[in-house]
Amino acid sequence: EAGVAQSPRYKIIEKRQSVAFWCNPISGHATLYWYQQILGQGPKLLIQFQNNGVVDDSQLPKDRFSAERLKGVDSTLKIQPAKLEDSAVYLCASLRDHHNEQFFGPGTRLTVL
Amino acid sequence: AQSVTQLGSHVSVSEGALVLLRCNYSSSVPPYLFWYVQYPNQGLQLLLKYTSAATLVKGINGFEAEFKKSETSFHLTKPSAHMSDAAEYFCAVSDGNRSRGGSYIPTFGRGTSLIVHP
Repeated sequence: EAGVAQSPRYKIIEKRQSVAFWCNPISGHATLYWYQQILGQGPKLLIQFQNNGVVDDSQLPKDRFSAERLKGVDSTLKIQPAKLEDSAVYLCASLRDHHNEQFFGPGTRLTVL
Repeated sequence: AQSVTQLGSHVSVSEGALVLLRCNYSSSVPPYLFWYVQYPNQGLQLLLKYTSAATLVKGINGFEAEFKKSETSFHLTKPSAHMSDAAEYFCAVSDGNRSRGGSYIPTFGRGTSLIVHP
């Protein structure tokens, strides 16, 4: 089966600009996650979707970050405006239900200058 | 509440030597425990998981981990390191507590970088 797809793989922007990331989970996976991974740290959950509904967004900085999964399949994560501290790898993962196994995409490496 | 502590941000071994990566967890209920590997510029890949079926869990690439409830540990081992094992390794825990949506939300450790010398 195809894995979790993410694009772009790399993005460089200046602070105060906007950026969007796209994720397509494994077919049939209802649960989708966005994580932020800062260099030298483990992934930190930003938001979790179940189909097209938000399950947990308690750690999402809502003043600048937004995410949607309108049709319950692919998802976009947006940052507007970006700050220097947003430089990180943004990982998308989907869940194989009943096995509690997450499958991760390759990530998008964001550099904010 | 759940948390994970990975002891040692870097572990260095010689090729052919034993690999031991340490993970201690905190959980209010019986946990699910996971080890993931991350190669440069790639996402995380599941190595193995513990879900209470057996305390010694075997994973891919010759890795295994043992769940020790009394020590709240889930250390990762491999008898003989290979150069290709050099990567970042993450331990993760889920205590099974359900969010309002009833889905699995793991907590990850900070990671341990495994360095393998020839």
